[in-house]
Amino acid sequence: NAGVTQTPKFQVLKTGQSMTLQCAQDMNHNSMYWYRQDPGMGLRLIYYSASEGTTDKGEVPNGYNVSRLNKREFSLRLESAAPSQTSVYFCATNSGHAPPDTQYFGPGTRLTVL
Amino acid sequence: AQSVTQPDIHITVSEGASLELRCNYSYGATPYLFWYVQSPGQGLQLLLKYFSGDTLVQGIKGFEAEFKRSQSSFNLRKPSVHWSDAAEYFCAVVPYNQGGKLIFGQGTELSVKP
Repeated sequence: NAGVTQTPKFQVLKTGQSMTLQCAQDMNHNSMYWYRQDPGMGLRLIYYSASEGTTDKGEVPNGYNVSRLNKREFSLRLESAAPSQTSVYFCATNSGHAPPDTQYFGPGTRLTVL
Repeated sequence: AQSVTQPDIHITVSEGASLELRCNYSYGATPYLFWYVQSPGQGLQLLLKYFSGDTLVQGIKGFEAEFKRSQSSFNLRKPSVHWSDAAEYFCAVVPYNQGGKLIFGQGTELSVKP
């Protein structure tokens, strides 16, 4: 079992370029999450998907879109990258049951926007 | 405002010394409480969590945390630190009745002196 995988591991973009970050899980979990991590700010939720077919905004959704392709996959798209989106992006997943259980994190994608 | 605060950005302790990392939250109802650890270049791993019941919670790697309702705190402790504990530690909450969305503190970076 791979757990939570993310691709790519590293990416450098120029301002205005687009890209999609991929996340996949083999844990049969219902809920999936995208976070960004910036120094001194912890992790902040961008979007989440409580279950297949649903998505919702988190704390910092501007400039991003998401797709819950199926139960396993949850992608994050930057349509027109900006330097402010330079960050480390983490995907996470959990069962989605109450009370909230452990979120399992992927290894992260380090994105630099020039 | 609702928030999670980790007052210490960086702590240095000697190997074998005890450790306490502080976490305070500001929510009306007691949230679900978590501590995560992030080793350099890695994703996050759950150390422990508190939902209800015994206010002293045991976790992995010899860590424990104590929930104090009167102080709105959930401090992480370890009696004897090992060099391998050097990492960044995040306190996080899931606010009551707000699904599974984690709200993170800013993080505390732990350095261990030989």
